[in-house]
Amino acid sequence: GQQVMQIPQYQHVQEGEDFTTYCNSSTTLSNIQWYKQRPGGHPVFLIQLVKSGEVKKQKRLTFQFGEAKKNSSLHITATQTTDVGTYFCAGAAAGGGADGLTFGKGTHLIIQP
Amino acid sequence: DAGVIQSPRHEVTEMGQEVTLRCKPISGHDYLFWYRQTMMRGLELLIYFNNNVPIDDSGMPEDRFSAKMPNASFSTLKIQPSEPRDSAVYFCASSYRTYGGRATEAFFGQGTRLTVV
Repeated sequence: GQQVMQIPQYQHVQEGEDFTTYCNSSTTLSNIQWYKQRPGGHPVFLIQLVKSGEVKKQKRLTFQFGEAKKNSSLHITATQTTDVGTYFCAGAAAGGGADGLTFGKGTHLIIQP
Repeated sequence: DAGVIQSPRHEVTEMGQEVTLRCKPISGHDYLFWYRQTMMRGLELLIYFNNNVPIDDSGMPEDRFSAKMPNASFSTLKIQPSEPRDSAVYFCASSYRTYGGRATEAFFGQGTRLTVV
């Protein structure tokens, strides 16, 4: 079945440093979504990427979708304490029929003030 | 809309007991998903429904797990009998179909933290 790998599992940064998490799928994706989960909370949708090579920005967050639609990344510039949480990518398989998302295991972002 | 509503928020039960988790999706959403989250396995898709019909239950771990969606506003996930390894946070999520026909982003409920002792 489809697998979505995400690295790193944990990332410690000093406040103000940049952060990047990477996502790779074993199969071609129709789209990829990114979610953020605060400690003790539930996943909250951030963005969806659909097109090959697509890049989207949300303030300090930059999301990329690979040309082959099998990988993606999330980059946060100048992290703040409010960025703490776990960032998940979630892929929907290409080819139609499967609407359930396969989530990566997430990257836990820990920020030291 | 109040969002996806799950109950109970916390459940502690003894091994062997039946557990029923409940979910009310966002009105108008035609997809409903059940996920399980553990530290070891992350977020796992258990089953999802489209228009109240189960589409893919390949993630349901064992026959002890069953899910129903009797109508568009209610779903249950039942574990019978429960075991300690079922301890996890169970999330329900709902989404809707786009103009192009694909399900869009998932809106998650607050989750049910299940502890089986």
